[in-house]
This record gives sequence, structure tokens and C-alpha cells, in this order.
Amino acid sequence: GAVVSQHPSWVICKSGTSVKIECRSLDFQATTMFWYRQFPKQSLMLMATSNEGSKATYEQGVEKDKFLINHASLTLSTLTVTSAHPEDSSFYICSAGKSYEETQYFGPGTRLLVL
Amino acid sequence: DQQVKQNSPSLSVQEGRISILNCDYTNSMFDYFLWYKKYPAEGPTFLISISSIKDKNEDGRFTVFLNKSAKHLSLHIVPSQPGDSAVYFCAASALTGTASKLTFGTGTRLQVTL
Repeated sequence: GAVVSQHPSWVICKSGTSVKIECRSLDFQATTMFWYRQFPKQSLMLMATSNEGSKATYEQGVEKDKFLINHASLTLSTLTVTSAHPEDSSFYICSAGKSYEETQYFGPGTRLLVL
Repeated sequence: DQQVKQNSPSLSVQEGRISILNCDYTNSMFDYFLWYKKYPAEGPTFLISISSIKDKNEDGRFTVFLNKSAKHLSLHIVPSQPGDSAVYFCAASALTGTASKLTFGTGTRLQVTL
């Protein structure tokens, strides 16, 4: 199998606070994980590629100081939304792939609401 | 610049009939294509994929066809079932190093009616 989990599934926070989202590959090791963001009725937009043991690679237009990514182990990547604002409210999804395989397996997503 | 396009935002098909979802791409460097199914507030679920060296891949009720010259792929679901109702995303990848970045289409909402 290829199971990816995310925690939390829902988070509501006040503007200005930071929120950490965890992504775990449960039954395989993932040297690379990906973080996506989806706005209502839109496609999934890749935010960054998380590489185990090295710095994340951010897509154009994504603020790396705002969306901190840490990939501390082969099964865990975290996304921290720093100083969250209402416009950061969105559905954040992570994915992981097995080395040299093209298929990515997605977590269930985390819905963030910033008040 | 939308490199992967799904021009039909929605599709309604009667139960038992064939559902055909289409996807076009512009980047000739893409070498692998995938279809995902997604329910609201859930992560995408992998359905089926195809390598650029093939033109067809079949898995049960799902078949994906690739026309490289036209930069077009399609997902056929037959027979369609009510449980197939969801949003379907086409995705394309170009292997870079040990990991592949996926570029997603905008999705097609499939409604299978009784």
C-alpha cells in the first residue's frame, strides 16, 4: 500500500498565529513530499517540494518565509503557516511518492480557516 | 500558463453508460500522466496512469488513452456507476531527479445519474 496521513484535518486559528500541519507516509519511505493548496472549485496548486535532509524548493510566488517546510525524516514533513491571515484560509494537501516512481499518493488534506 | 487543461468543467452520464473525460497538455516534456478522483474536503485518490511510451492502459472499468501527437489523453469509465460521481483531475509529470512534480488540470466534475 501507499498511505499518507495528515494532521490535523481541520484547524481554526486567529489571525497572526502560526499553524503547523504534519504529513506522514505510513507504510513507505518518502525522500520527497509535496505540498499543495486548493482554493474552492479550483485545481491543486503545487506550493513546494519537500526534500528530506535539505531545504525545500518553493514554486514561484510562494513565500518561503511564510510557509516553512521541514522534512526531518523519511516519513514526516511539516508545513508551518506563519503569522496566518484570513487569505491563507485554504485546503492544504500533501503528497508523497516512492523513489523513482511517478505516482504520488495524497494525504486527506487539512482545511485551515483563519479568523 | 495552464500546461494541463480539462476543458469540460462538468459531465453528466447515465448509470451504466460510458463516461469519457478529456485532458489536453502543452508541455512535450511530460512523460507520465495520471488520473485522480477527488471528493470534497478529501485528498485525491490515484486511479490510473500511463507512460508516454504507451497509448493505452486499462484497469478494470478504467481505461486511459494517450495521443501524444495531439497532446491529448482521455479517461474512459465503463460502465459508469453512481459511486463514480466525483471531481476527476488529470495530472502530468516530468521526472526530475528522484521525484516528479505533478501539474494538475482544473478538474471535471462527473455526475452519474440513475
